[in-house]
Amino acid sequence: ETGVTQSPTHLIKTRGQQVTLRCSSQSGHNTVSWYQQALGQGPQFIFQYYREEENGRGNFPPRFSGLQFPNYSSELNVNALELDDSALYLCASSHASGTDTQYFGPGTRLTVL
Amino acid sequence: QKEVEQNSGPLSVPEGAIASLNCTYSDRVSQSFFWYRQYSGKSPELIMSIYSNGDKEDGRFTAQLNKASQYVSLLIRDSQPSDSATYLCAVNKGDGGATNKLIFGTGTLLAVQP
Repeated sequence: ETGVTQSPTHLIKTRGQQVTLRCSSQSGHNTVSWYQQALGQGPQFIFQYYREEENGRGNFPPRFSGLQFPNYSSELNVNALELDDSALYLCASSHASGTDTQYFGPGTRLTVL
Repeated sequence: QKEVEQNSGPLSVPEGAIASLNCTYSDRVSQSFFWYRQYSGKSPELIMSIYSNGDKEDGRFTAQLNKASQYVSLLIRDSQPSDSATYLCAVNKGDGGATNKLIFGTGTLLAVQP
């Protein structure tokens, strides 16, 4: 157990809908990163949040957005869902002034029909 | 060329043998390297981090880094059936700022045969 929690565990949506995924970072960690893992692939970096601001972004369209709150928890929002958005969404926490090791939460499995 | 490359496997080894997992990366400025284990349907679990050339040992696991060859490996001694999982190699592609961005390979599936 890493101490990183995510909710919900599973989610089923239809194309065009919007979804919000949530993450609570490990105690003492102030940085949250989000990754998308499609079946059979390695995780792909979506973006990172530090001090409530986006601090780096991968190759994902603007319909992927996020927030970080003062308690370092974070949300990932995806608008206008597409079938290809079906994946495991992973949240990872780390400490900006510590090592760059990231610890993953259990993930949210999103299915888009 | 992919930024991080791994053989997808499956790599099949008998119980008690040494499993050798390999990874190459393309960005010469990368400084931090990680191995994660992922069981089917679960999230990645950190096994090892390595930052300097050479070997780093932790129990049955040894990570090896060769920055000149841009090569990272993971050795698992005395392999157990419970080691059967996908092993993900990850490289920190820092952009010179504060971003701490991991680039993953597609993973190598390890199967340890009893």
